[in-house]
Amino acid sequence: DIVMTQSPDSLAVSLGERATINCKSSQSVLYSSDNKNYLAWYQQKPGQPPKLLIYWASIRESGVPDRFSGSGSGTDFTLTISSLQAEDVAVYYCQQYYTTPCSFGQGTKLEIK
Amino acid sequence: EVQLMESGGGLVQPGGSLRLSCAASGFTFSSYWMHWVRQAPGKGLVWVSRINSAGGGTGYADSVKGRFTISRDNAKNTLYLQVNSLRAEDTAVYYCAREHSSGHDVFDYWGQGTLVTVSS
Repeated sequence: DIVMTQSPDSLAVSLGERATINCKSSQSVLYSSDNKNYLAWYQQKPGQPPKLLIYWASIRESGVPDRFSGSGSGTDFTLTISSLQAEDVAVYYCQQYYTTPCSFGQGTKLEIK
Repeated sequence: EVQLMESGGGLVQPGGSLRLSCAASGFTFSSYWMHWVRQAPGKGLVWVSRINSAGGGTGYADSVKGRFTISRDNAKNTLYLQVNSLRAEDTAVYYCAREHSSGHDVFDYWGQGTLVTVSS
């Protein structure tokens, strides 16, 4: 199974500043036949289910604000929030869907500094 | 509006069983693969099971294989998870999730979850 490791485990950022969350997979999730990275990002606010933010590593889901962006390829990925808003306080998870079973990172807790 | 609503969770003794349900509305349920994902208290997300749109193809995490059974009733727009031989480590919020239209195991809509607690 592919192991997903996020860093840091927690992060405190000032309002309006950039937040960066990293995700590393134990093997590449880049599928050579379609040149797509099978990597998604989710946001989970307290007491709520997860919400899909990004898929194919960099495609923003409909309705997700453009301050959220995803990048990376192969085994190393990044979720960036360009200007942190108060409503962005949440736990963020990366997920690989290159193989079955799909697997999630342990989560990164984002707070306001 | 897409809605998924789980039910059927509760407190059960080790070795016991439950049947979880997920009522779907706001989309053509029979066209989508569906999944169950669980989250132990204070922990991360773990994929549990999937079923294809017609109900004829299923998949399970190794940790639940042989104990859990996923099914669906497209006429009733409902997804099920029969959970048997429950263990303490099965304690979690169980979410049903719809697979994204792009395919593969990406989940674009989630229910609010139903809590299963396994304890004597």
